[in-house]
Amino acid sequence: GESVGLHLPTLSVQEGDNSIINCAYSNSASDYFIWYKQESGKGPQFIIDIRSNMDKRQGQRVTVLLNKTVKHLSLQIAATQPGDSAVYFCAENVTGGYNKLIFGAGTRLAVHP
Amino acid sequence: NAGVTQTPKFRVLKTGQSMTLLCAQDMNHEYMYWYRQDPGMGLRLIHYSVGEGTTAKGEVPDGYNVSRLKKQNFLLGLESAAPSQTSVYFCASSYGPIYEQYFGPGTRLTVT
Repeated sequence: GESVGLHLPTLSVQEGDNSIINCAYSNSASDYFIWYKQESGKGPQFIIDIRSNMDKRQGQRVTVLLNKTVKHLSLQIAATQPGDSAVYFCAENVTGGYNKLIFGAGTRLAVHP
Repeated sequence: NAGVTQTPKFRVLKTGQSMTLLCAQDMNHEYMYWYRQDPGMGLRLIHYSVGEGTTAKGEVPDGYNVSRLKKQNFLLGLESAAPSQTSVYFCASSYGPIYEQYFGPGTRLTVT
């Protein structure tokens, strides 16, 4: 079936540490993956994306890793800051005619001083 | 450049009432989407549009209708609201398939 799940519903880290948020996907035909950040009371905000022909992509303080063999996606945040506290969603694009994004339930990241 | 905007931000309806949520985008995107978000769940696609004058059903379309008369606007209608439609509704748009979707700030709807 088509599903996107997350291993950890809540992740607590100390300010300055690196954070790793994991995501498993089930559809081997998915060709595009996105990480979104959602702060309380706001809409999801794009963080980084990766296509299935890549296994790593880096942005500013963030890195996404894609392991197609085990259908696993991770988001790494370097030097986590209080402003990074939010719910993070992974989403996979299921091919088949339109841009159908399947979202996971989300992981809450709590950054402690 | 306002991105994606949604009107209204909050609304309370009684069971059986109707309403329309308006989404507008100024990025000239072809694709537009309506999602609902419930506590503890990810976003679920209600309806989407791949261009002006087109609409299609998503994952949870029952009880909702949509229209895309202008490229920049995507309307979501509830003809007879039910408590199960209490949710936060997000509109999104994208340049095309397999591109990031830009989200609006959301509309919090409560049906009593």
